Amino acid sequence: QVQLHQSGPGLVKPSQTLSLTCAISGDSVSNNSVAWNWIRQSPSRGLEWLGRTYYRSKWYNDYAVFVKSRITVNPDTSKNQFSLQLNSVTPEDTAVYYCARALIGRFEFWGLGTLVTVSS
Amino acid sequence: DIVMTQSPDSLAVSLGERATINCKSSQSVLASSNSKNQLAWYQQKPGQPPKMIIYWASTRESGVPDRFSGSGSGTDFTLTISSLQAEDVALYHCQQFFSLPYTFGQGTKLEIK
Repeated sequence: QVQLHQSGPGLVKPSQTLSLTCAISGDSVSNNSVAWNWIRQSPSRGLEWLGRTYYRSKWYNDYAVFVKSRITVNPDTSKNQFSLQLNSVTPEDTAVYYCARALIGRFEFWGLGTLVTVSS
Repeated sequence: DIVMTQSPDSLAVSLGERATINCKSSQSVLASSNSKNQLAWYQQKPGQPPKMIIYWASTRESGVPDRFSGSGSGTDFTLTISSLQAEDVALYHCQQFFSLPYTFGQGTKLEIK
């Protein structure tokens, strides 16, 4: 069974970088049939897809336009994990962040979530 | 972006009764490549991540009770729980995977009356 284990700080200061990692067990980040995603959830905006990385003979990324200038999602094949970096955060980036595996766009497996608060 | 709109925002139903949640997309999510609607439903209980229960608008995920069913095509979709059980109390979301960015409805909170 696929499991996703999230790690990273729960508190980030404004203007700094939010960094989270999602370790994969039961699958490979290089699986060429799926994609590895970051999604966040807040009471005001609901669930928002942020971006993904996936392998199809080479690595690809896609990002939501509203974070495209600030986001990086990277695979780490040596540790079988992937990461999220979101730069220049503001309090509006406060949310629960989830990693998730997608098969043809539907999110079959999710991490447990990390509440990230942006505050000084 | 495809906008997903759910109705109602909240719903209270008696145990054993039918619950119906609607989801409307701002454009069709029916894929010509496979003639399937690129629409999924998720159930989210407090403190937990969403769990996919329906995909392709009407296909139940493995292990999901058959009291859950999905219907609809194009832009209008429905999630139905035929006989509400106490464990079905949750927040329900629809999601389109027709095109990027993937987008979700705002969620419908289902409670016991």
